[in-house]
Amino acid sequence: AQKVTQAQTEISVVEKEDVTLDCVYETRDTTYYLFWYKQPPSGELVFLIRRNSFDEQNEISGRYSWNFQKSTSSFNFTITASQVVDSAVYFCALSEHTGTASKLTFGTGTRLQVTL
Amino acid sequence: DAGVIQSPRHEVTEMGQEVTLRCKPISGHDYLFWYRQTMMRGLELLIYFNNNVPIDDSGMPEDRFSAKMPNASFSTLKIQPSEPRDSAVYFCASSLWGPKNTEAFFGQGTRLTVV
Repeated sequence: AQKVTQAQTEISVVEKEDVTLDCVYETRDTTYYLFWYKQPPSGELVFLIRRNSFDEQNEISGRYSWNFQKSTSSFNFTITASQVVDSAVYFCALSEHTGTASKLTFGTGTRLQVTL
Repeated sequence: DAGVIQSPRHEVTEMGQEVTLRCKPISGHDYLFWYRQTMMRGLELLIYFNNNVPIDDSGMPEDRFSAKMPNASFSTLKIQPSEPRDSAVYFCASSLWGPKNTEAFFGQGTRLTVV
């Protein structure tokens, strides 16, 4: 069975601080997909990134970066120079390699609060 | 594209009533998912369709829940009869299968309150 663990329930930082959100996953599949979604206070789920299990390259997108390490089954998300608009709940999710990569198992989410 | 469209955004109903949630996926997407979000259970998959055919409904909690997809541009999730414990945010999502298995795009959700 698949499992995604986000041990950090809530994180509070001051604007401009860097923050890392942890994600640890469990799966018996050799091919799988990892995702991060953002849920702002308005409630929608916004896709941030997808990672394939065979691609361990880290990725940077503006202030966001992701560190994928198969050896530790982790897919951590770092926000550099955080801003108030980054305040949201962030979900890590895992999908098996079935006919679709969108049958998602979500973690419980990490609530990030960025204050001035 | 307008994205995944769900209606209504909010629904308040009395216990025992039938409630129908609606979803219009992104045009051209061949997968449609229904997820539920609660404080206790987080985000969980209820059912998903491929080319309008239900593939996996193992997440549907009870027979009171049913979902249909009569065509590629419309799906419904029905609860009959509704109970207070069904109160949650219900999300619809769609995706397109391809060599790289694209991500799911979510609608804004329907917040259901059963009193």
